[in-house]
Amino acid sequence: ELKVEQNPLFLSMQEGKNYTIYCNYSTTSDRLYWYRQDPGKSLESLFVLLSNGAVKQEGRLMASLDTKARLSTLHITAAVHDLSATYFCAVDAMRFGAGTRLTVKP
Amino acid sequence: DTGVSQNPRHKITKRGQNVTFRCDPISEHNRLYWYRQTLGQGPEFLTYFQNEAQLEKSRLLSDRFSAERPKGSFSTLEIQRTEQGDSAMYLCASSWGQFSEAFFGQGTRLTVV
Repeated sequence: ELKVEQNPLFLSMQEGKNYTIYCNYSTTSDRLYWYRQDPGKSLESLFVLLSNGAVKQEGRLMASLDTKARLSTLHITAAVHDLSATYFCAVDAMRFGAGTRLTVKP
Repeated sequence: DTGVSQNPRHKITKRGQNVTFRCDPISEHNRLYWYRQTLGQGPEFLTYFQNEAQLEKSRLLSDRFSAERPKGSFSTLEIQRTEQGDSAMYLCASSWGQFSEAFFGQGTRLTVV
């Protein structure tokens, strides 16, 4: 059974700081997705990673995929309050991790 | 294109009753997913379809839960003999093929009293 693990589950950051969220998965997969969910809202797609070494960037977020290590990272650069949300990774046929709840404080 | 539509948005039911939810995916999308999400948790996979074929379902769907997607368009999720533990947000998502991102509906919030 495919397992998707994210860490940390909770992350409190100061504005302006950098941090990385990790997503590990248990079986071979060539596709990984990152989503964002704001409180009371549904999920919104952020990145689609479809090959080993894939890197995507949008604003202060950068995602990468290492299929050999079965690991994806979501790097946050110079965090701002608007990035406060829960971030999920999903693998293969949309199997989700538990999420990382990010809070960015002034 | 109005996105993924789910109905109803909210449902309150008494324990033991059956409920049915509907999902209308984005029209050209051939994959459709159902999830259950409780507060503070990630989306829990229930099942997914490619066109009208149900390709995979979690063990949860072997009992009181069933899903259909006749003609490969809209889908329904039925929960029989609801229990209080079924109270959750039920999310539907659709995608085009196995390599594209999924687009989510706003969900149906079920409360079992």
